[in-house]
This record gives sequence, structure tokens and C-alpha cells, in this order.
Amino acid sequence: DSGVTQTPKHLITATGQRVTLRCSPRSGDLSVYWYQQSLDQGLQFLIQYYNGEERAKGNILERFSAQQFPDLHSELNLSSLELGDSALYFCASSAEGYEQYFGPGTRLTVT
Amino acid sequence: AQSVTQLGSHVSVSEGALVLLRCNYSSSVPPYLFWYVQYPNQGLQLLLKYTSAATLVKGINGFEAEFKKSETSFHLTKPSAHMSDAAEYFCAVSEGNTPLVFGKGTRLSVIA
Repeated sequence: DSGVTQTPKHLITATGQRVTLRCSPRSGDLSVYWYQQSLDQGLQFLIQYYNGEERAKGNILERFSAQQFPDLHSELNLSSLELGDSALYFCASSAEGYEQYFGPGTRLTVT
Repeated sequence: AQSVTQLGSHVSVSEGALVLLRCNYSSSVPPYLFWYVQYPNQGLQLLLKYTSAATLVKGINGFEAEFKKSETSFHLTKPSAHMSDAAEYFCAVSEGNTPLVFGKGTRLSVIA
């Protein structure tokens, strides 16, 4: 158990819909990262927050957005969903060290 | 820009045999290197990390990796494979407290 929690574990929705994925980092970790894992793209970095502020942006679509709240939990919002958005979405957290600890992921299926 | 190349998308070994998973990286700054393991339907678990201390790094479950700057490599080894080692292994690089750049992964199969 990494100490990072993600909800929900599974999500099935239709094209065009909007979903919110939630992540709670390890106690005390200020950085939260979101990654997408798909068969064709592998593990891709989406976005990083540090203590409530956006710190880095990766291959995140404009239809996707995220935020980190004062209690340090983070949410990833995916809108106007397409079939190609079906993937595993991971959240990771880190302290001032360099290693990142991953949550169990949310498997999103868009039908 | 940083990048990681994992040689071999699938490696198969016999139980008790040496495990060698290859990782080469590219980085314009001194890298921080990691190996993660992913079991089916689970998240990524940190196996070990290199953060500019000892070049030979020991991790969990008997795995270790050696950082070789001259070869830009960070190969993962284990002297004796167990059935429970069957999983997907990912090598990753970062500049520190920055996003990880992952390789495409190597699926390890262990044959009884």
C-alpha cells in the first residue's frame, strides 16, 4: 500500500460525458502528478501540482483539467469524452525527495 | 529532453535463472533513475531508485540496478527469478522533483 488513494477504481461512461477522478496523496506530500496509461501511448505525464499550484504540464488535452485543493487532494476532470480517452489514470505523490508513489489507478472505459 | 529506452518488450526466463532487464536513458542533466513494477490490475510500485549516491542500488524483492554513466544505462537484475516476479517493469528518468519520463515497459515472464 503506497498511501496514495484514488477513487473510483472503475468508471464506465458514454462518449461526450464528463467525469471527475479523485486522488488523495500520502500524508505530508505536497506534489501530485497525474499520468495516463494506455496500450498505444504507454505511461504519459499529464499534469503536476505542488501545494495547490500548477507546476508542470505534459500531454494533457484541453478537454482535461485538474486542480489541487487546500487539503492537498487533487481532482482530474475529463470532459467531452471520446473512445480514445479510455485508459488507466494514475495519480502519484512525492515529498521533497525524488521518488513518486503511485495510487492504484482509475480505469476509465468510454463506450 | 529526457527519454528512456527499454530493450525488449518481453523477456522470458526460467525460474531460478538470472533476470536482466535493460534500460538506457538520455538526459541533459544528471539524472534520477527509477525502476517500477506493475502487477496485473495494480498500480506502479517503486522497486529502486538512483539519486546520485552509490552507483549500485539495491531495491526490494532482491532486485538491484547499476548506474553506468559512460553507457547511459541503468539495467535491472535479480540473481534468481521467482514465479512471483512475473509482471511489467518500467524504467523512468527525472531531473528531481519533476515528472517522470517512462520507458515503454518490459513484460517479464517466469517459466517453471
